[in-house]
Amino acid sequence: GENVEQHPSTLSVQEGDSAVIKCTYSDSASNYFPWYKQELGKRPQLIIDIRSNVGEKKDQRIAVTLNKTAKHFSLHITETQPEDSAVYFCAATRGLMTTDSWGKFQFGAGTQVVVTP
Amino acid sequence: ETGVTQSPTHLIKTRGQQVTLRCSSQSGHNTVSWYQQALGQGPQFIFQYYREEENGRGNFPPRFSGLQFPNYSSELNVNALELDDSALYLCASSSGRLNTEAFFGQGTRLTVV
Repeated sequence: GENVEQHPSTLSVQEGDSAVIKCTYSDSASNYFPWYKQELGKRPQLIIDIRSNVGEKKDQRIAVTLNKTAKHFSLHITETQPEDSAVYFCAATRGLMTTDSWGKFQFGAGTQVVVTP
Repeated sequence: ETGVTQSPTHLIKTRGQQVTLRCSSQSGHNTVSWYQQALGQGPQFIFQYYREEENGRGNFPPRFSGLQFPNYSSELNVNALELDDSALYLCASSSGRLNTEAFFGQGTRLTVV
């Protein structure tokens, strides 16, 4: 089955600096890679996702890159702000083109991001 | 808010007891996936229901079971509770046919004592 590894487990950055979180996956058939942000005591919320036919995607201060050959994908947050402090999870699934696996995500262990003013 | 609601929000049970957790999926979504999130860990896939049928299962024992109803709401049942079952249980709804974003509920915090 799919195995997703996420690094680092904790990340402390100064406000305004950039943060990068990296994930690797094992299943070469995985074709959809979402990133979720989870604030303390709250539900995971999708912040950005990328499909396997795309190498990079940006949404304001957030970007995700995908290297299918190396089977890794990364989240990049620029100009970090205190409200970016949260746990971030990467995930992978092979279900993009079929109902068989859609919604069955394999999650990484999470990265605690702390942005200090 | 996502429209995915779970009940109850918190629950304390004794080892050996049984528990039922509930999830109402977002309107238009026919797929519900259940996850167990232990403290400090990422969510682990338990199983998924698609149009009232189990549609895949993670590495969880048979004492974890579920149901999906005609309105696509779902239940997660856990029998013979163990201390290690203490976790946040999350459900996520999505439209399997349209491959839309999976929306998570706020979770049920289960504590087994």
